[in-house]
Amino acid sequence: GAVVSQHPSWVICKSGTSVKIECRSLDFQATTMFWYRQFPKQSLMLMATSNEGSKATYEQGVEKDKFLINHASLTLSTLTVTSAHPEDSSFYICSARDHPRTGEGYGYTFGSGTRLTVV
Amino acid sequence: AQSVTQLGSHVSVSEGALVLLRCNYSSSVPPYLFWYVQYPNQGLQLLLKYTSAATLVKGINGFEAEFKKSETSFHLTKPSAHMSDAAEYFCAVTAFTGGGNKLTFGTGTQLKVEL
Repeated sequence: GAVVSQHPSWVICKSGTSVKIECRSLDFQATTMFWYRQFPKQSLMLMATSNEGSKATYEQGVEKDKFLINHASLTLSTLTVTSAHPEDSSFYICSARDHPRTGEGYGYTFGSGTRLTVV
Repeated sequence: AQSVTQLGSHVSVSEGALVLLRCNYSSSVPPYLFWYVQYPNQGLQLLLKYTSAATLVKGINGFEAEFKKSETSFHLTKPSAHMSDAAEYFCAVTAFTGGGNKLTFGTGTQLKVEL
């Protein structure tokens, strides 16, 4: 089945530094990927939709200059948290959407998540 | 626009008992509905998916869900709970139309399985 690899699984960084998170679709091409943020004991909050070869579409309230998304190929999307601060500490999850199948619509495969801690 | 409501943020069952997790949806177009499971510090794993082919959908690990249009529901069930079923469960909806086909998630239900 479809597999999405997300790295790193956890990262600790100092306040003011930048952190890059990678999301790769291993056995399929994903023209569209999604980035979510999840707070403890809460649901997933969509941050942005990443389309290969074009600018990401950010959800309302998400700072695009803070959370830089690059989707340079059909199998790789990256999220860079710039000038990270403690309030950016969270669990970030990516999802890759595969091509629609007749009668089945799209499939959405999730990465294993990245736990970011900013100290 | 689509939305889902999960009734009950916490559900506790005994091992071997029936599992019932509730999900109601709202959609102006025919929906695609999903159930995902999340274990601590992990991503989401697809349990099952409704795409209008059949109203009763069977998924992995013995789970199934029934799409009821008249009740706008897509409840998740499992006849006999196992300790390994303890996790967070999310219902999600999308529509196979334009707009990026984003998944919209419910608030989640934490399932606890007791001996």
